[in-house]
Amino acid sequence: GAVVSQHPSRVICKSGTSVKIECRSLDFQATTMFWYRQFPKQSLMLMATSNEGSKATYEQGVEKDKFLINHASLTLSTLTVTSAHPEDSSFYICSANPGWSGADIQYFGAGTRLSVL
Amino acid sequence: DAKTTQPPSMDCAEGRAANLPCNHSTISGNEYVYWYRQIHSQGPQYIIHGLKNNETNEMASLIITEDRKSSTLILPHATLRDTAVYYCISTTSNTGKLIFGQGTTLQVKP
Repeated sequence: GAVVSQHPSRVICKSGTSVKIECRSLDFQATTMFWYRQFPKQSLMLMATSNEGSKATYEQGVEKDKFLINHASLTLSTLTVTSAHPEDSSFYICSANPGWSGADIQYFGAGTRLSVL
Repeated sequence: DAKTTQPPSMDCAEGRAANLPCNHSTISGNEYVYWYRQIHSQGPQYIIHGLKNNETNEMASLIITEDRKSSTLILPHATLRDTAVYYCISTTSNTGKLIFGQGTTLQVKP
C-alpha cells in the first residue's frame, strides 16, 4: 500500500527558533500533499495544500509567513514553522493520494509532535 | 462538502460488531462518504468509502441508506486494536482536501 513518511516524529525546540518537518511519499509520486495540525483532544485542522513546483495554498486563518511550505519534488514536501512559540506546539500531520485506485484516498504520515519551550 | 454528524462516543464489546452511524442529510449527488480512523497519537488511516452502494473490504462494511442521508460503518468483529476515533467525511473528492469533524471515539472493551 501507499506509504507516507514524516520526519522527525518528535521535536522539541526553544521559542524563537525554526523547525522543519519533512513529508515523503515513499512508493508513489504526489503533485499535491496536505498539511494538518491537531491540538490535544481536538480534530485535525487542514492548514494548507502543498503543490509541487508552485506556491502552497493556505486555509483561511493560517499564516503563510509563519508556516512555510516547500514542495520541491514529487516525493517531498516540507513544512517549516518559523520563529516558533509555545502556542505552535501541536501535532502536525501530512497526507497524499497516490491516485492508484481512481478514488481520492488520502494516506497519512505518522505525524510530528512539536513542543516549543 | 456536506456536514456530517456523528455521536461523540460509543462502546463495543470485544468480538462483537461495532456499528458507527453518520448523518449527512445535506449530501449532494456527487459527494462520496469516506471513513477514516485515528488511533491515539498516530496519523489517520483510510478505512472505506462509497457513493450510494454498500461497500465491503477487509477492514469494514459501509451501509449507505437509499436516500444517502446517512450511513453506518460496521466493524464485524471488533478487537481492542480497533479503539480509535472514527471520522465520517463527505466530500466531492475533486480537491483531495478533507475536512474533519469531531468524529466518534470508539472504545472496545474486553
